[in-house]
Amino acid sequence: NAGVTQTPKFRILKIGQSMTLQCTQDMNHNYMYWYRQDPGMGLKLIYYSVGAGITDKGEVPNGYNVSRSTTEDFPLRLELAAPSQTSVYFCASSTPSGTSGGQYNEQFFGPGTRLTVL
Amino acid sequence: DAKTTQPPSMDCAEGRAANLPCNHSTISGNEYVYWYRQIHSQGPQYIIHGLKNNETNEMASLIITEDRKSSTLILPHATLRDTAVYYCIASWGAQKLVFGQGTRLTINP
Repeated sequence: NAGVTQTPKFRILKIGQSMTLQCTQDMNHNYMYWYRQDPGMGLKLIYYSVGAGITDKGEVPNGYNVSRSTTEDFPLRLELAAPSQTSVYFCASSTPSGTSGGQYNEQFFGPGTRLTVL
Repeated sequence: DAKTTQPPSMDCAEGRAANLPCNHSTISGNEYVYWYRQIHSQGPQYIIHGLKNNETNEMASLIITEDRKSSTLILPHATLRDTAVYYCIASWGAQKLVFGQGTRLTINP
């Protein structure tokens, strides 16, 4: 298994440009996530999806959009890039286990996309 | 999700056990304790998780206090490749993991 793959690895955007960050997983996981990590900080959740056709906002969704048309893919769209979106973006996937009273969730992360907006 | 508190940095000699503490005094009964690590700028890597009992796998051991207000991750024989930022997370359910700033562990030769 390739696990979670992300493309591109690096990208430089000009202010106002748009782009899509791609994320694919081959583990048949129901849940997928997008995080961003600013320098020296922990990860912050942008959006997540619990299955095809279902998405929900995380902690920092403004300026981003997502879609989930298949189990495998979860692209992240930046519409009007701003310098504040300069960050490293990580995609993750998981299949939670356990019961509703005690559910745990091991997430598998991709290698990240380093985005710079100038 | 319960807030966790970790020391910002720690050092450990190669070959010795690295013991990383985490405080989660507001943890609720159904929240799991997770440990992840991040080497350089790679994606975080899952290490171990636990609810009430101590846990061990091929990477590490997790010791959770009886009152569940704190835990310790133990890397039994640290190597240079264990140098990383280690995140302790207390979370319930499947939607999200809240990453703090973690502990930067440096293994010294």
